[in-house]
Amino acid sequence: QVQLVESGGGVVQPGRSLRLSCAASGFTFSSFGMHWVRQAPGKGLEWVAIIWFDGDNIQYADSVKGRFTISRDNSKNTLYLQMDSLRAEDTALYYCVRDPLTNPHYDYWGQGTLVTVSS
Amino acid sequence: QSALTQPASVSGSPGQSITISCTGTSSDVGTYNYVSWYQQHPGKAPKLMIYDVSNRPSGVSNRFSGSKSGNTASLTISGLQAEDEADYYCSSYTTTSTRIFGGGTKLAVL
Repeated sequence: QVQLVESGGGVVQPGRSLRLSCAASGFTFSSFGMHWVRQAPGKGLEWVAIIWFDGDNIQYADSVKGRFTISRDNSKNTLYLQMDSLRAEDTALYYCVRDPLTNPHYDYWGQGTLVTVSS
Repeated sequence: QSALTQPASVSGSPGQSITISCTGTSSDVGTYNYVSWYQQHPGKAPKLMIYDVSNRPSGVSNRFSGSKSGNTASLTISGLQAEDEADYYCSSYTTTSTRIFGGGTKLAVL
């Protein structure tokens, strides 16, 4: 069965960096697009970034552009999110999400990893 | 880009039908039939309920249906059940190849 397991969250000071990982299993990772979607405490869902199956096509939300970098290692079935210059407003539960790309939608979600930006 | 517009809350009694709207623009909902809907129970990850405006994934009850007219998509839940009480989010592909969510709707089953 499809499994997406995020890790790397924690408490970090404003301006510092953090790297999230998402270990994928149960499907051919290199055939799917992958997203990061976040949810601030008590708030709605916010799309963060997408990386296509081959890593050649990447898009970011304006709120994280220039600060976050999405990447993937298809040999390790792992998705990453490098988060630099973190701000208080980046505090959220970060979900790793699969996308078949042929018809864009999010078909499988991880359980999320919590990032708290606080001094 | 601003979020898609959803009502903050809707409610219905068991057995009734409700509809949640999702209004976007010609840069997203109005241009593509790539609207999807997600159900989220408290403390849980979202679950895909509808994709491509009106398609149901395997395992999702046929009480859930989707439609679209112009810049507005809709999710209808018929025969409301207590377990349907949750937050619902719409999402759309956009003309800049990014994605966008609605603000979310809290469904109460009274």
